[in-house]
Amino acid sequence: DQQVKQNSPSLSVQEGRISILNCDYTNSMFDYFLWYKKYPAEGPTFLISISSIKDKNEDGRFTVFLNKSAKHLSLHIVPSQPGDSAVYFCAASVEGAQKLVFGQGTRLTINP
Amino acid sequence: DAGITQSPRHKVTETGTPVTLRCHQTENHRYMYWYRQDPGHGLRLIHYSYGVKDTDKGEVSDGYSVSRSKTEDFLLTLESATSSQTSVYFCAITPAALGEQYFGPGTRLTVT
Repeated sequence: DQQVKQNSPSLSVQEGRISILNCDYTNSMFDYFLWYKKYPAEGPTFLISISSIKDKNEDGRFTVFLNKSAKHLSLHIVPSQPGDSAVYFCAASVEGAQKLVFGQGTRLTINP
Repeated sequence: DAGITQSPRHKVTETGTPVTLRCHQTENHRYMYWYRQDPGHGLRLIHYSYGVKDTDKGEVSDGYSVSRSKTEDFLLTLESATSSQTSVYFCAITPAALGEQYFGPGTRLTVT
């Protein structure tokens, strides 16, 4: 039972354009969502998060959008840079649950 | 960067042998987690700890045990390794139940 799904295993975007990574969830109890970025041979690093009381959170080039009715969140990267090439994981949590549920990941490749 | 290390970083072992992976933190965080990362599955929680001697199971805990005798160390043990446990293992820490987790560099385990 995959509660958090990233249906696109890979995404290729031209440098300077917008990258949009998508994530869907099934558990309506989730109230906190995060995006992580992972380079090869390294551990994931936290990128940005959003609480269910918001529908948008922005941090520099990164913006996360949350659509609770559709149980969908997305990460926008503008403009995309070569260093953004990595695997991106979305994750979700229920307050008090003490743990995160991760999606399968999307490999983003930024082409020069 | 969060002060979190994992040892060993790489290990090759034979089926049926016991294996222990160590996660060490210098942040004095309460919560510690063990995940495995496999292609197509993202990060899956094996076990986690919410304090010294306080642990609980994650979604893929079969075949694994954990121990936490002091705040800074969280050990993951495969009592009798199987080829299905070949994976990359990540440890993570966080000071609060709800919030971003900080990951270690990972241990690549191969069971032959």
